[in-house]
Amino acid sequence: QKEVEQNSGPLSVPEGAIASLNCTYSDRGSQSFFWYRQYSGKSPELIMFIYSNGDKEDGRFTAQLNKASQYVSLLIRDSQPSDSATYLCAADRGSQGNLIFGKGTKLSVKP
Amino acid sequence: ETGVTQTPRHLVMGMTNKKSLKCEQHLGHNAMYWYKQSAKKPLELMFVYSLEERVENNSVPSRFSPECPNSSHLFLHLHTLQPEDSALYLCASSQPGTLSYNEQFFGPGTRLTVL
Repeated sequence: QKEVEQNSGPLSVPEGAIASLNCTYSDRGSQSFFWYRQYSGKSPELIMFIYSNGDKEDGRFTAQLNKASQYVSLLIRDSQPSDSATYLCAADRGSQGNLIFGKGTKLSVKP
Repeated sequence: ETGVTQTPRHLVMGMTNKKSLKCEQHLGHNAMYWYKQSAKKPLELMFVYSLEERVENNSVPSRFSPECPNSSHLFLHLHTLQPEDSALYLCASSQPGTLSYNEQFFGPGTRLTVL
């Protein structure tokens, strides 16, 4: 069974701190990884994707990928209350090309 | 209209009703997806269409019937549903064959309640 695992949280951080969200995946054939943000009652919104080992930065967001450890993370710097949401990690299903999603980590940023 | 749209946004139906969910994408993509999102569960992929052909059916009960008349439109026909089918149904689209072919864009979803 191919899976993507995330800590469901809630993860609570103070405003201005770094929030660190983690994800592991089981399918070594997965090549691309995605982070979606989902506000309560809304649909998922893509915020980052990463294909290569290492870090990828976009504004306050940094995605990190370690294929040897089958580990993906998302760092949010200078966290804001508006970052409070559930963050979904997804991995492609290798050659099949579809996505497997984790259950999501709920992040709460306290003012 | 831009992006991916879904109608209706909310639907309440009885177990004997027949209804349909509609999804339309304005992104020029040629793959479309139906997902089910229930509380405390991961997003569950239900159906995948690529170039209007169904390429995946993830063991979904026959009371859910998809239809893809063209690459911009996707329907989910519902009949004799069960209360446990109550969930948020999300449509997504992507453009296979590009560098970021797995990058899926979601519609706002239909919140379905089965009484």
